[in-house]
Amino acid sequence: GQQLNQSPQSMFIQEGEDVSMNCTSSSIFNTWLWYKQEPGEGPVLLIALYKAGELTSNGRLTAQFGITRKDSFLNISASIPSDVGIYFCAILISGNTPLVFGKGTRLSVIA
Amino acid sequence: SQTIHQWPATLVQPVGSPLSLECTVEGTSNPNLYWYRQAAGRGLQLLFYSVGIGQISSEVPQNLSASRPQDRQFILSSKKLLLSDSGFYLCAWSSGDRDQPQHFGDGTRLSIL
Repeated sequence: GQQLNQSPQSMFIQEGEDVSMNCTSSSIFNTWLWYKQEPGEGPVLLIALYKAGELTSNGRLTAQFGITRKDSFLNISASIPSDVGIYFCAILISGNTPLVFGKGTRLSVIA
Repeated sequence: SQTIHQWPATLVQPVGSPLSLECTVEGTSNPNLYWYRQAAGRGLQLLFYSVGIGQISSEVPQNLSASRPQDRQFILSSKKLLLSDSGFYLCAWSSGDRDQPQHFGDGTRLSIL
């Protein structure tokens, strides 16, 4: 099946720093999604991207759908302690098939 | 608006006991439904998904089974739990429409003793 390469696997950053993480695939997809999972909770959708080259923001979060349609990036600006969690990228292959998830980036913010 | 409910939130069960986790969705009809398992600090492993009542697709061979007795109800079961069944179980739903993301419940933390 399809696999996504998500990196980095984990990050330890100082509060106030910017964060960048990415996902790549070997195939072209039309929908990229980014989720955040806080400890002990289910993942929550942050941003959905539907068009190659699309750049979408959600507060301090910005995600881009790569122009090749094989990658996506998530940036967090001016990190704060509540940004802690696991960030997952995901791709949607078709309407009735499950999402394919990356293995996640675990973010720790040091105050 | 749509909501998804999972229960119980936490469960401690002895090895060899049965299991039943329930998930219901409100505010939508004919959703796609999913069960995932997550080991501590790890990624999401898809266990089952369903596109309609009585339609279950299994992704990995295992000690668990799933059923969808009603349109918006998804149940995860086991007849005899193993130690390796411990983990965080997540239910999710999505619209069957094109390009719609999945939305997750709050999860059930299952500990097997």
